[in-house]
Amino acid sequence: EIVLTQSPATLSLSPGERATLSCRASQSVSNYLAWYQHKPGQAPRLLIFFASNRATGIPARFSGSGSGTDFTLTISSLEPEDFAFYYCQQRSNWPLTFGGGTKVEIK
Amino acid sequence: EVQLVQSGPEVKKPGESLKISCEGSGYSFNNYWIAWVRQMPGKGLEWMGIIYPGDSDTRYSPSFQGQVTISADKSITTAYLQWGSLKASDTAIYYCARPRVSGNSYVAAFDIWGQGTMVTVSS
Repeated sequence: EIVLTQSPATLSLSPGERATLSCRASQSVSNYLAWYQHKPGQAPRLLIFFASNRATGIPARFSGSGSGTDFTLTISSLEPEDFAFYYCQQRSNWPLTFGGGTKVEIK
Repeated sequence: EVQLVQSGPEVKKPGESLKISCEGSGYSFNNYWIAWVRQMPGKGLEWMGIIYPGDSDTRYSPSFQGQVTISADKSITTAYLQWGSLKASDTAIYYCARPRVSGNSYVAAFDIWGQGTMVTVSS
């Protein structure tokens, strides 16, 4: 099973700041990595697929990069609605797995 | 509109059985995988398993193999997640999700999600 390790667990930032979230895989997942945003009481929302492709309707301030084992989700300038939990997920191997998540909170 | 609509909240006792549902609409149900994802209270997302309704190909995460059963009824475009004997540790929100691309050759990222079903197991 591929383990995805996300860091940091919590990121405390102010609106307008840049957020950089990391996801590291225990073995290569090529570019078969996605990022999701999740807010309490809502369904998760796909942000990025194939490591760097924005999903439909996702603002340009969200970007993804990386391949192999190291990936990054960057939010260039945090908007109030961006404070949430973020998860990476790999689909390279069965079973599919999620990372443990990063909480982006208001400082 | 493409959507997944899940069944309502459940409150059960330990040892009881349960089957929750996820109805797909607005797309060709047979041709897209449907996954189930668990979120325990205060915890992250966990991938449980997945089914391809077209041929009933089903895969489970090792953590959930033997603990739950995933099935689908193509005639009513509905996927199911069921337990034979619930435990308190099954208390969680359960989401179903559909990938962005059809076909059974691989599983794309999940862009359509159900609203979640809250399951509470308590004596």
